Amino acid sequence: NAGVMQNPRHLVRRRGQEARLRCSPMKGHSHVYWYRQLPEEGLKFMVYLQKENIIDESGMPKERFSAEFPKEGPSILRIQQVVRGDSAAYFCASSQRQLNTEAFFGQGTRLTVV
Amino acid sequence: DQQVKQNSPSLSVQEGRISILNCDYTNSMFDYFLWYKKYPAEGPTFLISISSIKDKNEDGRFTVFLNKSAKHLSLHIVPSQPGDSAVYFCAASGNAGNNRKLIWGLGTSLAVNP
Repeated sequence: NAGVMQNPRHLVRRRGQEARLRCSPMKGHSHVYWYRQLPEEGLKFMVYLQKENIIDESGMPKERFSAEFPKEGPSILRIQQVVRGDSAAYFCASSQRQLNTEAFFGQGTRLTVV
Repeated sequence: DQQVKQNSPSLSVQEGRISILNCDYTNSMFDYFLWYKKYPAEGPTFLISISSIKDKNEDGRFTVFLNKSAKHLSLHIVPSQPGDSAVYFCAASGNAGNNRKLIWGLGTSLAVNP
């Protein structure tokens, strides 16, 4: 049973380009969460999705960021027109149910904007 | 507004002794608490959790204590081993509305010295 798979592990983008981060949850998990860790900071919640639905996006920046979790395929975090401040580690986690359960994390995607 | 606080950014302990990591929270709606361990360049790994109906949960060398009246929890590691050196994150969630996502502390970096 493979764990949470994120790709790519490292992504370099020039300012103004688009970044697409992928996350395949653990088998049997239908809840996906995206977190961002900025340098010298803790994990910050971005968005919580179930299949085809965004449940809570209260941590997403209002512009340029979007997320989806289609019926088939991985969850995608998309950042348009990246800026240097978007450079961070982006972690995806999945869980089997919504409440009172641990979430399992992928190894993260480290985005560097140059 | 930091709802989950880990006031010690770092802790150094001698191998074989007890490590005690502390966490305070402000939101009385939180009812599920988790500890994660994180190594550099990896995703967080789930360690142990506790529901608000309990005040203690033990798993091997790891024990989590919850004091609801003080809104405080702690993770005890005994005996500490050099491989325990990592950043430890406390996280909390509730069961309704915007509390359903995990809210994270900023982490405590534990160094276990041989």
